Amino acid sequence: GDSVTQMEGPVTLSEEAFLTINCTYTATGYPSLFWYVQYPGEGLQLLLKATKADDKGSNKGFEATYRKETTSFHLEKGSVQVSDSAVYFCALRGGSNYKLTFGKGTLLTVNP
Amino acid sequence: NAGVTQTPKFRILKIGQSMTLQCAQDMNHNYMYWYRQDPGMGLKLIYYSVGAGITDKGEVPNGYNVSRSTTEDFPLRLELAAPSQTSVYFCASSFGLAERDPYNEQFFGPGTRLTVL
Repeated sequence: GDSVTQMEGPVTLSEEAFLTINCTYTATGYPSLFWYVQYPGEGLQLLLKATKADDKGSNKGFEATYRKETTSFHLEKGSVQVSDSAVYFCALRGGSNYKLTFGKGTLLTVNP
Repeated sequence: NAGVTQTPKFRILKIGQSMTLQCAQDMNHNYMYWYRQDPGMGLKLIYYSVGAGITDKGEVPNGYNVSRSTTEDFPLRLELAAPSQTSVYFCASSFGLAERDPYNEQFFGPGTRLTVL
């Protein structure tokens, strides 16, 4: 079945540091890939998405590129801010179904 | 638009009690979903609905029931609460079916934190 593996947290960075959160997946067909963010006490919000190989999703300074050859969708940001502190979830949706499969989430803390 | 709303925000239940978690959306979405999020884990799908009167099981449906009498509402019922149901519950909705619209986005509510003691 479909699965998502993302790097274990927690990740602690200083403000303006570079961020990478790794995500790899296993799926049949051609899944769509997503990064969701969950701020403290809130529900999940879609951060960015990509629906086919080599697509780059981007939003709020975050980027991720759909790499079919390495089955990866790593999240990056060049300069993190304190306000980026949150839990980040990588997810996929299989090409032929409704269901979102989530990774376990990575807690990011950014210190001033 | 309020988006997806959930009530209550927090609830403590005793073993064997029952309760209903409410979920409503005002975006005229056809699809609605219930997920649970256990500590340190991703979200797991409990039930989903593709429209009023139609529901189906997700990955972890045992111990739960749902109904969808209107497009807007999708309540989740726990009949005999157990400690294993201690979790954060998220409701979500989307307009259509993923295979027909790869840009279809699921919108999430703020969650209900449930503790069963």
